[in-house]
Amino acid sequence: DAKTTQPPSMDCAEGRAANLPCNHSTISGNEYVYWYRQIHSQGPQYIIHGLKNNETNEMASLIITEDRKSSTLILPHATLRDTAVYYCIVRRLGGTGANNLFFGTGTRLTVIP
Amino acid sequence: KAGVTQTPRYLIKTRGQQVTLSCSPISGHRSVSWYQQTPGQGLQFLFEYFSETQRNKGNFPGRFSGRQFSNSRSEMNVSTLELGDSALYLCASSPQTVNTEAFFGQGTRLTVV
Repeated sequence: DAKTTQPPSMDCAEGRAANLPCNHSTISGNEYVYWYRQIHSQGPQYIIHGLKNNETNEMASLIITEDRKSSTLILPHATLRDTAVYYCIVRRLGGTGANNLFFGTGTRLTVIP
Repeated sequence: KAGVTQTPRYLIKTRGQQVTLSCSPISGHRSVSWYQQTPGQGLQFLFEYFSETQRNKGNFPGRFSGRQFSNSRSEMNVSTLELGDSALYLCASSPQTVNTEAFFGQGTRLTVV
């Protein structure tokens, strides 16, 4: 699975959009981009995933560049409860071990009142 | 639908002992994965089970083992505990192995003294 690079920490004002970048320059054509977050001492929570098109759900939007070498997770209106470590993960489609997630160090997002 | 349930939530063991952790996946999910989280190494994949068969294994010593039962419930066992085994052990379940989101439990916090 491709390696990802994320900034170690970011701050965001409450109510503003939080834009979390992720670099995955070695991504292969059959690899998806997944985002999870982990609030302190809880299990990771799935947020969103995509292959090449932009995706949106009730939690966030995922913007993937045309060359697929980077992506941005957007939390449109950050709240204090969004304070967490956000992990960008690239994983291949199908095969054995498809649920083998390689978590990097993630980005610690702090939402400031 | 009930989420992933891990028991116990907290555990204290002494060096040299063994421990068994339990994970009940979401009803209908057949894939169960285990992860270890420590401050130094972050989230690391231990192994994945699907239909009672180990599908993939991370880079951990043989003291770490697991199994899955016919009802998809899974256990992991750590023998001859070391201080470095102190960690949060997380279990994740998925409906199948192919490119699906993983749902995590709250974890079992193991402390080895």
